[in-house]
Amino acid sequence: EPEVTQTPSHQVTQMGQEVILRCVPISNHLYFYWYRQILGQKVEFLVSFYNNEISEKSEIFDDQFSVERPDGSNFTLKIRSTKLEDSAMYFCASSAGAPRGEQYFGPGTRLTVT
Amino acid sequence: DAKTTQPNSMESNEEEPVHLPCNHSTISGTDYIHWYRQLPSQGPEYVIHGLTSNVNNRMASLAIAEDRKSSTLILHRATLRDAAVYYCILRDSDSNYQLIWGAGTKLIIKP
Repeated sequence: EPEVTQTPSHQVTQMGQEVILRCVPISNHLYFYWYRQILGQKVEFLVSFYNNEISEKSEIFDDQFSVERPDGSNFTLKIRSTKLEDSAMYFCASSAGAPRGEQYFGPGTRLTVT
Repeated sequence: DAKTTQPNSMESNEEEPVHLPCNHSTISGTDYIHWYRQLPSQGPEYVIHGLTSNVNNRMASLAIAEDRKSSTLILHRATLRDAAVYYCILRDSDSNYQLIWGAGTKLIIKP
């Protein structure tokens, strides 16, 4: 069964460093998303991406964040200058066709900022 | 997106049916009812969704009240692997892309 994959599974970085989180969505999906979940808290939407551009973003997704689909398979989230409060699980998701269709999530990347 | 209300937690015995309720009294006519779950230390997982009629799939059934102000996710025979947080989410058929998550219901399965 096709699945969303994410790398790395755990990333440790120092405050102020740049990190890139990588995702490979399901191959025939057209809509891509990033969410995050701070330990013990709710899942929060960051951004959605369709047709090579951001279709929606939350207030969390400020100028420190960017997304890219550099080739036909990868979808990346970059955080330019990490802060302690960026420590969280980051989940990538993808969906086929309709934006309101079911979303399929990857296993997540645990980002730890020290 | 309209708001949903779910119990914080529920307990059930293994191999018994589980009914997880969700109230969404402010639902609009174009809102779909989606359910996701998150197993411990895993990413969220799609379970089922519906608009007006009851829905069944290999994972669960979704029973939607006639006035659509509430719904119930039914796991017909819970196993220990079904222990997770279950989220009820409303999605407007015309609108945005994001899923807006509440706190969900933590389902505890007792062996």
